[in-house]
Amino acid sequence: QQQVKQSPQSLIVQKGGISIINCAYENTAFDYFPWYQQFPGKGPALLIAIRPDVSEKKEGRFTISFNKSAKQFSLHIMDSQPGDSATYFCAASTGANNLFFGTGTRLTVIP
Amino acid sequence: DTGVSQNPRHKITKRGQNVTFRCDPISEHNRLYWYRQTLGQGPEFLTYFQNEAQLEKSRLLSDRFSAERPKGSFSTLEIQRTEQGDSAMYLCASSLSWTEGQYFGPGTRLTVT
Repeated sequence: QQQVKQSPQSLIVQKGGISIINCAYENTAFDYFPWYQQFPGKGPALLIAIRPDVSEKKEGRFTISFNKSAKQFSLHIMDSQPGDSATYFCAASTGANNLFFGTGTRLTVIP
Repeated sequence: DTGVSQNPRHKITKRGQNVTFRCDPISEHNRLYWYRQTLGQGPEFLTYFQNEAQLEKSRLLSDRFSAERPKGSFSTLEIQRTEQGDSAMYLCASSLSWTEGQYFGPGTRLTVT
């Protein structure tokens, strides 16, 4: 059973455009929602994270939007660049416990 | 480099052999996690340590798998009698507290032939 559902599976965006990746969860005990970026052959790198007491968090070109009632959260990448081309994973956890990851979104930014 | 380190980076072994991987967490991080990632999938949790205590194990961690974290520093993950289905990237992550997030190492790519 997939604890966190992620879409789309792949995404192609023009340089300068906005990339949007969505995730949904069922377990209302989740209280920590990070996003990771992974390049081929590398480990996932923590990008940005949010807790359910806020609806939005922005760090540079990356923004998380969180909808607690809908149990959904999304990553927005503004002004997407070719260097952003990677696989993005959403995840969720309860406190310090293990992360449950989505299935990933392969982002390609076309120059 | 003060990030999480893992060794070896790649391991090729024959079915039935035992393998051991090492993870060195970020200094002072008291939580250490092991995950497994197969091609095209997100990481899946295997086990978790707080200091030297192993607090949780996934059902994915069969009796062929064992993990240790002596003295609460580095950790080892051993797989006995490897099977082709064990082929995957084994990832280690560490955290100082759950509010600070988990930081992953580069992983160990295991290929069982």
